[in-house]
Formats: sequence, C-alpha cells, structure tokens
Amino acid sequence: SQKIEQNSEALNIQEGKTATLTCNYTNYSPAYLQWYRQDPGRGPVFLLLIRENEKEKRKERLKVTFDTTLKQSLFHITASQPADSATYLCAPLYSSASKIIFGSGTRLSIRP
Amino acid sequence: DVKVTQSSRYLVKRTGEKVFLECVQDMDHENMFWYRQDPGLGLRLIYFSYDVKMKEKGDIPEGYSVSREKKERFSLILESASTNQTSMYLCASSLRDRVHGELFFGEGSRLTVL
Repeated sequence: SQKIEQNSEALNIQEGKTATLTCNYTNYSPAYLQWYRQDPGRGPVFLLLIRENEKEKRKERLKVTFDTTLKQSLFHITASQPADSATYLCAPLYSSASKIIFGSGTRLSIRP
Repeated sequence: DVKVTQSSRYLVKRTGEKVFLECVQDMDHENMFWYRQDPGLGLRLIYFSYDVKMKEKGDIPEGYSVSREKKERFSLILESASTNQTSMYLCASSLRDRVHGELFFGEGSRLTVL
C-alpha cells in the first residue's frame, strides 16, 4: 500500500531563515500533491497544490517542489517568522483514487 | 466565506454510549469526509461520501457508521463508544469537479471516551 513519510522530528528554525520540510512517498507518483497547515486544536488549512508535471510552485514566501524521480516533495518557507510555527501536512492525490491520504505531519517551530 | 461546522468542539462520553458527531457545510460541496487524528498517526480516513445517501469506507471504518441524508450534512456515528475511539475527529468537504480536490476542514471535535 502507498506510504507517505514526513520528518517525524520537530523542526526548529531561527527567525528569518528558510525552513525546509520533506514529504516522501512510495510506489507510484501522485497526480497532485497538496500541502496543508494545521495549528494546535484546529483543522488543517489548504496552502498549495503542485501537479505531477510541475517542478516548482510558489505563493508569497512559500515554495513547493515535486521530484518524481526521488519520489519527494519539498516545502520551503523563506524569511520564516514565529507566526509560521505550526504543523505542516502533505497529502498526495492519485488521479485514480478519490480520497486524500495524509502524511503524519512535521511540527515547525520558528524561534525569534 | 467557506464554512464547515462541526456540532461539538469537546465531548466526553462513557464506554458503550452511542455518539453522534454532526458536520454541516455551506458550500454546496458534493464530497464529504470524516477523519480521525491521533498523535504520531496523523489523519486517518474513516468514511467518505460523494453524494446524498452514498457512503464509502475509508481506511479505518470499524466501529463507525455514517449518514448522509442531505447534501450539506454528514454525520459520524459511534454505535458503542470505546476508549480507543478517544481522538480528534475532523470533518472535511470538497467540490466533486475540482480535480485537485482541495479539502475544507471543520474545527474538529475532540472526543473523550471514559
């Protein structure tokens, strides 16, 4: 069965630096890959989507890459701020499937 | 503004009780989902529905059932609650014709079974 792996360890970054989070998947490549942000005690909020044929996608300080050879997506936050502290979830979407499955998430802490 | 509303933020129930978790969305979305989230296990899909009166099992349906009598409402039912069903429950919805299937989540319902 398909597996999605994200850094299980929390990531602690100094304010102003770039945070990089990893999402690895096994077996076949998803048609799309989504990233969500989740704050404690709240539901996840959609951030970005990248398609299989896109290498990179940007939105303000966020950048997502998708490498089907490495079976990996990287999520970058540039000029990180304490307000970026949250758990980030990746979610691959397979064109033949209708349900979205999630990685377990990486907790990011930005210290001032 | 898009909204998914879950009826209760916090519930405490006893083992063996029947529990209803209600979810309502105001976006006219066809797809609705129930997930549970546990530390270290992430979000796991319990059930989903593509249309009124339709339901599909997710990855962990045992011990749960669902009801979708109206398009905007998707209910999760625990017929006989057990302590291992203590968890955060998240409802989500999406548009059927949006190929990327972005999910809109509710705020979550934290259930404790004693």
